Amino acid sequence: AQKITQTQPGMFVQEKEAVTLDCTYDTSDPSYGLFWYKQPSSGEMIFLIYQGSYDQQNATEGRYSLNFQKARKSANLVISASQLGDSAMYFCAMREGVVQGAQKLVFGQGTRLTINP
Amino acid sequence: DTGVSQDPRHKITKRGQNVTFRCDPISEHNRLYWYRQTLGQGPEFLTYFQNEAQLEKSRLLSDRFSAERPKGSFSTLEIQRTEQGDSAMYLCASSSWGNQPQHFGDGTRLSIL
Repeated sequence: AQKITQTQPGMFVQEKEAVTLDCTYDTSDPSYGLFWYKQPSSGEMIFLIYQGSYDQQNATEGRYSLNFQKARKSANLVISASQLGDSAMYFCAMREGVVQGAQKLVFGQGTRLTINP
Repeated sequence: DTGVSQDPRHKITKRGQNVTFRCDPISEHNRLYWYRQTLGQGPEFLTYFQNEAQLEKSRLLSDRFSAERPKGSFSTLEIQRTEQGDSAMYLCASSSWGNQPQHFGDGTRLSIL
């Protein structure tokens, strides 16, 4: 079963608008972490934001915030005041458990975000 | 603070040849990961080291693949008898203890002729 689902293959947004990228996940482990990464056309994976399953508040990091709805198993990324440089692929990823060895990230298919001037 | 470094950036080789990639993690990170990413897909986990110990391997890591981290610092990923299906971006990442995020290198793009 797919563990991370990103249902938006592509999104087009006007510069300066806010954008929400969807991510749903599936796990039976009570302890997990959720991550968002940005991958520009140059290829590097850039860490954006992290949300732990036990965190009480939604994570924020500058213009990035994570809308974490635990009961719905969703962890949507919100980018405020989008900029042309935000155009990239965005990946949602999950890490299950905190036990030794359970450190791998499972990634979604990604969403290609294009910011129009 | 230098990031994760991977070498080479690009590798073109003929089918059947062996290739080796190198990854230098962020110096204070004791965890090191290898992922593979094919076009249009998210990265897929291959293997994970904590210090010099290889603690987890994906079923994607066939017998032709081997990874080492002999002194708990840099790591190498070797692919023997390369096949067309091995063409991909190979990403290395490192992290420190706890729930710290994994930081990725720029990757090595492998093309099999």
